[in-house]
Amino acid sequence: AQKVTQAQTEISVVEKEDVTLDCVYETRDTTYYLFWYKQPPSGELVFLIRRNSFDEQNEISGRYSWNFQKSTSSFNFTITASQVVDSAVYFCALSEADQGAQKLVFGQGTRLTINP
Amino acid sequence: DTGVSQNPRHKITKRGQNVTFRCDPISEHNRLYWYRQTLGQGPEFLTYFQNEAQLEKSRLLSDRFSAERPKGSFSTLEIQRTEQGDSAMYLCASSSEVDRPLNTEAFFGQGTRLTVV
Repeated sequence: AQKVTQAQTEISVVEKEDVTLDCVYETRDTTYYLFWYKQPPSGELVFLIRRNSFDEQNEISGRYSWNFQKSTSSFNFTITASQVVDSAVYFCALSEADQGAQKLVFGQGTRLTINP
Repeated sequence: DTGVSQNPRHKITKRGQNVTFRCDPISEHNRLYWYRQTLGQGPEFLTYFQNEAQLEKSRLLSDRFSAERPKGSFSTLEIQRTEQGDSAMYLCASSSEVDRPLNTEAFFGQGTRLTVV
C-alpha cells in the first residue's frame, strides 16, 4: 500500500528564515510520481511540483527547492527567505503510474505559519 | 474557463437528508476526480472519471454515495441519508490525458464544505 508521512504537523518561523518541510513516502511501485500542493485558507489546492521516480535531480524554482532522495524515500521541500504569503498548509502526495490517472495519496499536511 | 468550479461552496444539512454537489472541470480536461478532506487531514481519493466512465471507486465511497458525469462534462456527487461523519470538504479536480503515459498535474476546485447537523 502507498503511504505518505509528513511528520511535522505545524511549523512557525519568522519572515526571511529558511524552512524545510519533510515528506517520506512508501510504495512498492517502481514507477511513481511525487507532488507538492499548497492549500491557502481559501481551500483550493495549488499545484507546486511533480516529480517522477526516475528523475532524482533536485529542482529550484525561485525561493522554492525540492530534494528528492530515492534511497531514503524522501521528497523534502525548502522555502528560502520565507514570506508571510507562504503561510498555508502544504501537502506532499504520491501517485502510482496507473494510466496517468491522478489518484493521489496525500500526507496529513504541514501547517506553515510565517510571522512578520 | 478559469479553473475548476464547485457549487455550492458551503452546505449545511440535517442528518438524514440527501445532498448533491456539482463540479465543472476545466473544459478540455477529460479526467475528473473527487476527494474528501476532513479537518486536519489530507484529501482522500473517492472516485474518478475518464470522460463519462467511472473507472474507480474507493472503499471510502459507501453505497450512500453516488457520482455521475453525464456526457463527460460536469460531475455530481450525491450523498443520501447524510450522517454526521460525512461532514468534510469535498474537493473536485480535473486533469488532461494530453501527455500520457506521464501524469499531468490535477487542478483542484475550492471545494464544497459540508456540515451535517
